[in-house]
Amino acid sequence: NAGVMQNPRHLVRRRGQEARLRCSPMKGHSHVYWYRQLPEEGLKFMVYLQKENIIDESGMPKERFSAEFPKEGPSILRIQQVVRGDSAAYFCASSPGEGPQHFGDGTRLSIL
Amino acid sequence: AQTVTQSQPEMSVQEAETVTLSCTYDTSENNYYLFWYKQPPSRQMILVIRQEAYKQQNATENRFSVNFQKAAKSFSLKISDSQLGDTAMYFCVLLPFTGANSKLTFGKGITLSVRP
Repeated sequence: NAGVMQNPRHLVRRRGQEARLRCSPMKGHSHVYWYRQLPEEGLKFMVYLQKENIIDESGMPKERFSAEFPKEGPSILRIQQVVRGDSAAYFCASSPGEGPQHFGDGTRLSIL
Repeated sequence: AQTVTQSQPEMSVQEAETVTLSCTYDTSENNYYLFWYKQPPSRQMILVIRQEAYKQQNATENRFSVNFQKAAKSFSLKISDSQLGDTAMYFCVLLPFTGANSKLTFGKGITLSVRP
């Protein structure tokens, strides 16, 4: 009865590198959400995906950030050419539809 | 647009006592969920309690209960018999019912410390 699985738990990148964060939703869940949490703040919505479709990306920065949820495999949040300001905890959540979203343990991204 | 306001940045309570965390929100939606999520030092996000806006009865979950005032757009969390493990950041969260607008809106959170 695995929950939402995120990996890696911690990711360190140098400025200019790419970061790839993975999220496997709970079994039976086809809705995936990505949130970002800056220190001492609540989570901020980034993107909402269903299988192979982006439903709402209103919270995604216009450049360098992209997300996908392919037919097979985990959802990927990709950050290209990372900058110091990208340092944050990135949480993935999933749901079967409407209702509570179940969160993974997050990926803590640190940019050197 | 949705907003969630938690105006108290931190609170402290003695073990075994009761504490109430405040939250107000704003939304143009008529149907929505409200949640309280807990984030302990481990940084996990744990669902504490949920309330559907169409239900008048306040939700309860063991030591946790809410006071939901829909007209006032207020949603407070009461923790009874506080335990050391309740020490965490607590987020009030709003989720509209509509499928195309399913993103959670978080308040800034409140840090709760339970003193032994």
